[in-house]
Amino acid sequence: AQSVTQLDSQVPVFEEAPVELRCNYSSSVSVYLFWYVQYPNQGLQLLLKYLSGSTLVKGINGFEAEFNKSQTSFHLRKPSVHISDTAEYFCALQNDQAGTALIFGKGTTLSVSS
Amino acid sequence: DAGVTQSPTHLIKTRGQHVTLRCSPISGHKSVSWYQQVLGQGPQFIFQYYEKEERGRGNFPDRFSARQFPNYSSELNVNALLLGDSALYLCASSRQGYEQYFGPGTRLTVT
Repeated sequence: AQSVTQLDSQVPVFEEAPVELRCNYSSSVSVYLFWYVQYPNQGLQLLLKYLSGSTLVKGINGFEAEFNKSQTSFHLRKPSVHISDTAEYFCALQNDQAGTALIFGKGTTLSVSS
Repeated sequence: DAGVTQSPTHLIKTRGQHVTLRCSPISGHKSVSWYQQVLGQGPQFIFQYYEKEERGRGNFPDRFSARQFPNYSSELNVNALLLGDSALYLCASSRQGYEQYFGPGTRLTVT
């Protein structure tokens, strides 16, 4: 069975500080990996994706993530956060066969304060 | 281009009633997926359709059903509503099933 574990349910940080949101996954087959962000009372927005190729993936809003196959991790990082980054972040995987379901972690709440 | 649209945005129903939720995908996307997001949890997969055919089904009871129309829009139907069906229902579209883009969701409250 495939699964996604987000290691921190809440991450409080100060504005302009760096942040890392941790995601580990479990799968016996190759997967695609995604990070989504959800602002209050909204749907999910795709931040970045790893499908193949370079293990360092850059996304929108200055976020990046690194795929580590040996550690089965896909951690999300940003060097300097803003108040507007306060949101819920979801890591998700998908079997690398097109047309399969996204499997989500339980989410990490990022709270940025001044 | 317009994103994924869903209707209605909010809905209040009574236990035992039926509900229909609607989704229009991004232009050019032929796959639509439905997810249920209970408060405080990640989305859970319900269905995926591609070219009007069901491609996948999650672990949900038969009270949940869906279909996709020739214009690739989709409906999610839930019969005999239970209190536990209260959730945000998300629709996502994609060209072939991966790299899914989500709509704003329909907030369903069952009383």
